Amino acid sequence: QVQLVESGGGLVRPGGSLRLSCAASGFTFSDYYMSWIRQAPGKRLEWVSYISRSGSSVYYADSVKGRFTISRDNARTSLYLQMNSLRVEDTAVYYCARDEDLSSPDYWGQGTLVTVSS
Amino acid sequence: QLVLTQSPSASASLGASVKLTCTLSSGHSTYAIAWHQQQPEKGPRYLMRVKSDGSHIKGDGIPDRFSGSSSGAERYLTISSLQSEDEADYYCQTWGTGAHWVFGGGTKVTVL
Repeated sequence: QVQLVESGGGLVRPGGSLRLSCAASGFTFSDYYMSWIRQAPGKRLEWVSYISRSGSSVYYADSVKGRFTISRDNARTSLYLQMNSLRVEDTAVYYCARDEDLSSPDYWGQGTLVTVSS
Repeated sequence: QLVLTQSPSASASLGASVKLTCTLSSGHSTYAIAWHQQQPEKGPRYLMRVKSDGSHIKGDGIPDRFSGSSSGAERYLTISSLQSEDEADYYCQTWGTGAHWVFGGGTKVTVL
């Protein structure tokens, strides 16, 4: 069965860095676009970034552009999100999700919590 | 600007039906949307995609009591024969250029 398992969340100071990982299994990873979506406490879901099947194309929300970097390793069936210059407003649960055709996620992970606080 | 609007809450009795609404912003009435369910303390789960003609494509293992429909700029999710495990937040989501995915504010469903 399809599984997406995020890891790497934690508590970090403003200005710090964190790298999230998403381990995928149960499907052919390289056949799917992959995305990161986050949800701040009490807020709606917010799309963060997406990466194409090969990794050659990436897109970011304006709120994270220039600070976050998405990448993938198809051999390791893993997705990553390098988060630099973290801000208090980046505090959220971060979900990875797969997507067949750039329309909507059809499988989500369980999420990993990132807390940015001094 | 592409915006999705949802009522913050809805409730119905165990075994009854509830119909949730997601409204597309002006100029985007032909867009398809997707519905996602988020049970307490869990990651979201894809339910279905609903097109402007009312047709819908469900995700893997989604029960028949979940159905989708459309009317104008509104997209609906109907849950029939409500069960206790249906108590959750329901988000609609669509896709466009630039912002890629856009989410509604979510509707919290309470099973009475």
